[in-house]
Amino acid sequence: KNQVEQSPQSLIILEGKNCTLQCNYTVSPFSNLRWYKQDTGRGPVSLTIMTFSENTKSNGRYTATLDADTKQSSLHITASQLSDSASYICVVSAGDSNYQLIWGAGTKLIIKP
Amino acid sequence: DGGITQSPKYLFRKEGQNVTLSCEQNLNHDAMYWYRQDPGQGLRLIYYSQIVNDFQKGDIAEGYSVSREKKESFPLTVTSAQKNPTAFYLCASNKGLVHNEQFFGPGTRLTVL
Repeated sequence: KNQVEQSPQSLIILEGKNCTLQCNYTVSPFSNLRWYKQDTGRGPVSLTIMTFSENTKSNGRYTATLDADTKQSSLHITASQLSDSASYICVVSAGDSNYQLIWGAGTKLIIKP
Repeated sequence: DGGITQSPKYLFRKEGQNVTLSCEQNLNHDAMYWYRQDPGQGLRLIYYSQIVNDFQKGDIAEGYSVSREKKESFPLTVTSAQKNPTAFYLCASNKGLVHNEQFFGPGTRLTVL
């Protein structure tokens, strides 16, 4: 069964600190892996999309890594800001089309001043 | 100002009533999607549409219906047959079905009283 599991479920850190969120997947076939940021009560916003051949991809203070051999991805947030408080969702595409997306449940990140 | 709009933001429904959620996009995107989001779970695909006058069932289509009479619009009707309709509903779109980044609307929170 295709699954995407994220850890931790929730995380609280102090403003200015770094953190790393994890995503493990068992999805086949694999097409690409995406990270989204979702503010409470809003729609998700794309942070990165990585294909099989990409090991790392950055978007400002967000850096995503992908290890296709171990089927793991991480999202590293550097120098956290209060506006980083949100849920971060890992999504794996099980094919070429966007209707074949497998969504993780997300990690809820809270940044405290 | 391009984007996806959803209305209403909050919707309350009595049991046994049908309700229609609106989704409009002015991004000239071909593909549109409806997802349902429940606490602690990943997004689940309800319906998607690749072109006007065509749509396909997703993973949890029972109790829902859609139409795609215009490229810009993809309304979702939650019927009385949906046994547990209280959820956060998200509409998304992208240029084509393949690989493209999805853009999400702000969501509609439906509560059944």
